[in-house]
Amino acid sequence: DVKVTQSSRYLVKRTGEKVFLECVQDMDHENMFWYRQDPGLGLRLIYFSYDVKMKEKGDIPEGYSVSREKKERFSLILESASTNQTSMYLCASNGWTGEQFFGPGTRLTVL
Amino acid sequence: QKEVEQDPGPLSVPEGAIVSLNCTYSNSAFQYFMWYRQYSRKGPELLMYTYSSGNKEDGRFTAQVDKSSKYISLFIRDSQPSDSATYLCASNFGNEKLTFGTGTRLTIIP
Repeated sequence: DVKVTQSSRYLVKRTGEKVFLECVQDMDHENMFWYRQDPGLGLRLIYFSYDVKMKEKGDIPEGYSVSREKKERFSLILESASTNQTSMYLCASNGWTGEQFFGPGTRLTVL
Repeated sequence: QKEVEQDPGPLSVPEGAIVSLNCTYSNSAFQYFMWYRQYSRKGPELLMYTYSSGNKEDGRFTAQVDKSSKYISLFIRDSQPSDSATYLCASNFGNEKLTFGTGTRLTIIP
């Protein structure tokens, strides 16, 4: 079974803090994705990566950056957290078949 | 116009009923179609994955794609209370980012 894990299920941070969200997949997938999910807005793509050290902006990259130093690990970074970044963050990965598998999500609250 | 449109519901049906969930899409280049189930406060779980037009069945679930009308459907037979969740449709061209519908919240009433 494909396994995508995320470092935290729940996180509370203060405005202005630097926040790291980590994602690890164990299926040797090439592609990894970060989404945020908000009520009424659905899933929105923040960044994705096709390979180590490669990154592409998604639909809402402002205020975020990413890092992919190893194939299995994809990190999302909030350089200076703001209250409008309070959301559910979901990591996903897929291989050559295109089926995309998600992690359990991190619910981030920024106070 | 969103590339993938989905009625948000909520949809409530009695246990044992057949459930029909639907999406439309606008990009005729989409080739792959997926349905995800998401329980409250959990990540989406891949339910069905289909390529191009046609039907695919897996147990009580049937996914249907009609590319001529750009219509995606998921049918759930003999619905159970454990099927209560939000269902998300998604599409892409191939091995890259997905475009999602906003999800339909489904409740099965015992």
